[in-house]
Amino acid sequence: DGGITQSPKYLFRKEGQNVTLSCEQNLNHDAMYWYRQDPGQGLRLIYYSQIVNDFQKGDIAEGYSVSREKKESFPLTVTSAQKNPTAFYLCASSVRGDTEAFFGQGTRLTVV
Amino acid sequence: RKEVEQDPGPFNVPEGATVAFNCTYSNSASQSFFWYRQDCRKEPKLLMSVYSSGNEDGRFTAQLNRASQYISLLIRDSKLSDSATYLCVVNIYNTDKLIFGTGTRLQVFP
Repeated sequence: DGGITQSPKYLFRKEGQNVTLSCEQNLNHDAMYWYRQDPGQGLRLIYYSQIVNDFQKGDIAEGYSVSREKKESFPLTVTSAQKNPTAFYLCASSVRGDTEAFFGQGTRLTVV
Repeated sequence: RKEVEQDPGPFNVPEGATVAFNCTYSNSASQSFFWYRQDCRKEPKLLMSVYSSGNEDGRFTAQLNRASQYISLLIRDSKLSDSATYLCVVNIYNTDKLIFGTGTRLQVFP
């Protein structure tokens, strides 16, 4: 089945630790995105990538890092510099930047 | 001013009602428009794209007004299963970003 897979679904980490969220797609999409959603809030763009080995900061990139070494993979690292990392993280992909995006099931990160 | 703005609601309507949501966008260079649906604690899912001429999918109708910079979503004959948050999404010309509104919550009651 074609789709976009995020893992893990739930993640708990201690404050001060870096953590990497996985995002894989087999849709052959060029564009991939990471969004953050807080309770009762909309989606805010963290990073996006249109092509392998290239990515751009979104609106809230501070405290996060990404890589795009393969077309199908776009992992997100939440670093200790991120002040409020507890949130719902959503990865998405699209054919290109102006087409509809499809989402993974998300990762709920809780930092204690 | 936010790039994409929506009335957060909630809109509480009875089954069978017709309900409409509006979404305004600030950048006149916006070129692609979508409505997504998000259920509680789930990922957003594409409901429909919005075309310049307007488009319909069953009970759902989307309209685009470029002059006034808003898009709308009309839901006819509301079902209990329509209860969700509806997100307006805009892509700005010559950028690769999809900008999401904060969503409008719909609650359909029996």
